Amino acid sequence: EVQLVESGGGLVQPGRSLRLSCAASGFTFDDYAMHWVRQAPGKGLEWVSGISWNSGSIAYRDSVRGRFTISRDNVKNSLYLQMNSLTAEDTALYYCAKAWGESVAGSSWFDPWGQGTLVTVSS
Amino acid sequence: QSVLTQPPSVSGAPGQRVTISCTGSSSNIGAGYDVHWYQQLPGAAPKLLIYDNSNRPSGVPDRFSGSQSVTSASLDITGLQAEDEADYYCQSFDNSLSGSVFGGGTKLTVL
Repeated sequence: EVQLVESGGGLVQPGRSLRLSCAASGFTFDDYAMHWVRQAPGKGLEWVSGISWNSGSIAYRDSVRGRFTISRDNVKNSLYLQMNSLTAEDTALYYCAKAWGESVAGSSWFDPWGQGTLVTVSS
Repeated sequence: QSVLTQPPSVSGAPGQRVTISCTGSSSNIGAGYDVHWYQQLPGAAPKLLIYDNSNRPSGVPDRFSGSQSVTSASLDITGLQAEDEADYYCQSFDNSLSGSVFGGGTKLTVL
């Protein structure tokens, strides 16, 4: 069974950092691109970042570029999101999701999704 | 303001049909990028419902169908059931943003 389990969320003060992790199992991790998608409380889904199978191609939404860094470890079957200079607007449930293909370019669907890890930015 | 536009809510009685629209532009759906649909039940993670405009993953009932035309896409749900009450999101790729984009989501209420 394909499974994605996020961790690392929590309460953090504005301006501080947090690192999210996503442990993958049940599939050949290095065959697929991976993504982070977030959902603010009571709001819709918002794509955050994606990384290709070999980390050769990485993409970010404008509002996090320069503050967030996505990475992966294909030996540990893990995806990461380093989040710096956090603001209240980053408060959300962060999901990791497996893409259909290897690349972050083009329209790939996300399946499955993890259960998410909650990040709350507040003083 | 989402790049893909969906109606905030739709509703229908059990057994009826509803359609959820997803309107994009020339940099996403109109550029030929496929549209995917997700169902998010209350308190749960999103689940893939339709991929590549009109394809259903294994296990998704054929009551759910998708279509795409020029700069928009649609999700049709026939034979509405109480268990269909959820939020529905469309997703595609935008070449001006160089990333994936979602619609704002549509809340389906089964009356």
